[in-house]
Amino acid sequence: QSALTQPASVSGSPGQSITISCTGTSSDVGTYNYVSWFQHHPGKVPKLMIYEVTNRPSGVSNRFSGSKSGNTASLTISGLQADDEADYYCSSYTSSSTLVFGGGTKLTVL
Amino acid sequence: QVQLVQSGAEVKKPGASVKVSCKASGYTFTDYYMHWVRQAPGQGLEWMGRINPNTGGTNYGRNFQGRVTMTRDTSISTASMELSRLTSDDAVVYYCARSDSLDYWGQGSLVTVSS
Repeated sequence: QSALTQPASVSGSPGQSITISCTGTSSDVGTYNYVSWFQHHPGKVPKLMIYEVTNRPSGVSNRFSGSKSGNTASLTISGLQADDEADYYCSSYTSSSTLVFGGGTKLTVL
Repeated sequence: QVQLVQSGAEVKKPGASVKVSCKASGYTFTDYYMHWVRQAPGQGLEWMGRINPNTGGTNYGRNFQGRVTMTRDTSISTASMELSRLTSDDAVVYYCARSDSLDYWGQGSLVTVSS
């Protein structure tokens, strides 16, 4: 199972919005609505930000939103804040009953 | 509240095996898959596999087939992951995480591989 494709880095200024893409195939993202997004600050435990494509866990800011079109899922962060600077990973369930991660995207808040 | 508490850091020799445990609390252990994920320093997250605590059924990532074994003990709500034939590439942090959404994570267990 190949990793999902994410941009290596994205950046934005405080207050702006950014979108991170996560491209898979018809064997994972394109077929299953089990796409999750994680925020990972170095040295800390990854934190679930979005599950099942669009759902936010309790306690996650509504500045974070998810969507999907075809084989590509997206995470949008609006009203960027300094603390949003982190690595972001997507994951998807696959037709092999496995999970696959994206390679990760480093978000820099300018 | 949901908690996943992992076993401590390990130091192993090349070729040896390591077993990491993950004790769950705050929910019904058998209701959710338990996944194992690892991360090398400066690298991305890598999915290793999952176990159904209710049935014991497992699914393993292709990179770990034949080298990883995931088990569970429902009497103590604990899942375990054993990785054999360790190399320096296995010297990373291992996490357990609950459910196919990976909604709760353990604190991570560092494995060092050194002769």
